[in-house]
Amino acid sequence: KAGVTQTPRYLIKTRGQQVTLSCSPISGHRSVSWYQQTPGQGLQFLFEYFSETQRNKGNFPGRFSGRQFSNSRSEMNVSTLELGDSALYLCASRKDRAYEQYFGPGTRLTVT
Amino acid sequence: DAKTTQPPSMDCAEGRAANLPCNHSTISGNEYVYWYRQIHSQGPQYIIHGLKNNETNEMASLIITEDRKSSTLILPHATLRDTAVYYCIVRLHSNTGNQFYFGTGTSLTVIP
Repeated sequence: KAGVTQTPRYLIKTRGQQVTLSCSPISGHRSVSWYQQTPGQGLQFLFEYFSETQRNKGNFPGRFSGRQFSNSRSEMNVSTLELGDSALYLCASRKDRAYEQYFGPGTRLTVT
Repeated sequence: DAKTTQPPSMDCAEGRAANLPCNHSTISGNEYVYWYRQIHSQGPQYIIHGLKNNETNEMASLIITEDRKSSTLILPHATLRDTAVYYCIVRLHSNTGNQFYFGTGTSLTVIP
């Protein structure tokens, strides 16, 4: 069974640009969550989508947004990039009512 | 979610049992204890979870004290590949939300 996949794996952007990251969950998983990981703040929850609806949202500015498609694939978008947005962005998927969530390998975003 | 306290780092000799403690003195009756680990530059990996009883799976054992105020994750025969940051998370199991708060975890180093 294929795991959670994220594309691209690495990305370099310039301040002020925007970026879109993609996540394909494990087949059959309808919940997709996004996390940001930085050395200073650790792993922080961004948002969760379930059946194309945002179900939970962390404490991030509106520049961070996401969406989920009918096939459960999800994208997150960061507009007007700042240097502090440099981070590893992780996606996790979960089956309905399951206890465990499965993480992808992450997208390493560098903002210069 | 209840706050957890973990030692920042631990060492363990290869082949020996690794015992990782976690304090969660404010845990409520319905909150579960989850353990995840993150090997360098990879996404976190689910290990195990429990409510009241001790649990064991192919990866580890989880021992929860009778008063549920602390728990210990046991890796019975640590290998070099178990070197990782281990996160103890306490939260309610929710069918409608998947928001996990990861703390700073314990950095486990398995020594040859």
